[in-house]
Amino acid sequence: DAGVTQSPTHLIKTRGQQVTLRCSPISGHKSVSWYQQVLGQGPQFIFQYYEKEERGRGNFPDRFSARQFPNYSSELNVNALLLGDSALYLCASSPLAGFGNTIYFGEGSWLTVV
Amino acid sequence: EDQVTQSPEALRLQEGESSSLNCSYTVSGLRGLFWYRQDPGKGPEFLFTLYSAGEEKEKERLKATLTKKESFLHITAPKPEDSATYLCAVQASYGGATNKLIFGTGTLLAVQP
Repeated sequence: DAGVTQSPTHLIKTRGQQVTLRCSPISGHKSVSWYQQVLGQGPQFIFQYYEKEERGRGNFPDRFSARQFPNYSSELNVNALLLGDSALYLCASSPLAGFGNTIYFGEGSWLTVV
Repeated sequence: EDQVTQSPEALRLQEGESSSLNCSYTVSGLRGLFWYRQDPGKGPEFLFTLYSAGEEKEKERLKATLTKKESFLHITAPKPEDSATYLCAVQASYGGATNKLIFGTGTLLAVQP
């Protein structure tokens, strides 16, 4: 079975541009979360979506937004990119939104802002 | 504020030399403690979830344990392929965000042949 898949794997953007990252959860998983991982640090929570509704948001500016589609895939959008947005963006999925679910991560999308 | 601290930051072992990684945490209402392995340039790979103090889980050369304030990841007779960064994360009640994990900065393990 396919794991969490993310695209693109690598991308380079210029300051001020906008980027869209995509995520397909494991088949049958309905909850998707997004994390940002800066080099040398642990991942930081950005959003959780379940059944197309936002369930939680981390301490990130409004330039970050996301949505979940009826097939449970998800997109993360970042507007007005800053150099500090350069990071590995990780998508995670779990079967449901409740506690007790294993949370699986994808391989991530490497974003470099120049 | 919820916090996760991992130690040591880096650990170098000889093949076969057993050791333990530590994850100490402060969180209100722990719902789960997760261990992940992360290889360079890759996403975290799930290893274990522990839910209550006294719980233990094993997988090959790895064994995770949990107390009320910390978790240990014991590595028995490690091999070079166990070299990776090991991440610890806690899950608690954050409103509706049930999948919000608070991560430590990880322990970088290098196992030399």
